Amino acid sequence: AQSVTQLDSQVPVFEEAPVELRCNYSSSVSVYLFWYVQYPNQGLQLLLKYLSGSTLVKGINGFEAEFNKSQTSFHLRKPSVHISDTAEYFCAVSEPGGAQKLVFGQGTRLTINP
Amino acid sequence: DVKVTQSSRYLVKRTGEKVFLECVQDMDHENMFWYRQDPGLGLRLIYFSYDVKMKEKGDIPEGYSVSREKKERFSLILESASTNQTSMYLCASTSLGGQGSYEQYFGPGTRLTVT
Repeated sequence: AQSVTQLDSQVPVFEEAPVELRCNYSSSVSVYLFWYVQYPNQGLQLLLKYLSGSTLVKGINGFEAEFNKSQTSFHLRKPSVHISDTAEYFCAVSEPGGAQKLVFGQGTRLTINP
Repeated sequence: DVKVTQSSRYLVKRTGEKVFLECVQDMDHENMFWYRQDPGLGLRLIYFSYDVKMKEKGDIPEGYSVSREKKERFSLILESASTNQTSMYLCASTSLGGQGSYEQYFGPGTRLTVT
């Protein structure tokens, strides 16, 4: 069975500071990895995904993530955050093929302070 | 743009009522999903469907059922609502191939309160 652990439930940062949101996964098979963002009172939207190829993945809104197979991690980073990045971020894993089910982490609430 | 709509943003029901949550997608996606979202637990899969009239249980199916009579519509049914089903319910869809493969598109969610 697959599982995802997001190591921080809340991350406060100042505007224009860098941020890293941590994600570790557990799986006995190869995986696809995702980061989704949920802005207040909205559904989730995809930030980026890793399916294969380069382990450094670039997404929307200046975010990027690096797949580290040996450490089973997929941490999300942004070099300089804005107030508009305030949201909840979810890491998720899926098994290649099949029904494309996602297993989500618990979420990390990112708060940007001016 | 892919659009996933859910019938209600907010819903208040009484214990024991039968509750229907509707989800419609407009991109001819094969797969559709129902999740519930609770603070500190993330999203958990209730049921999913990979074709009309086909369904499979997710991780927390107890107390729920689903219906998919048409490709674009996926309904979640709470047979007898209970207070522990108070939650945010999110519907999602995805295509099986092509550029959008493995990207799930989410609706805005229905916040259900059972009193």
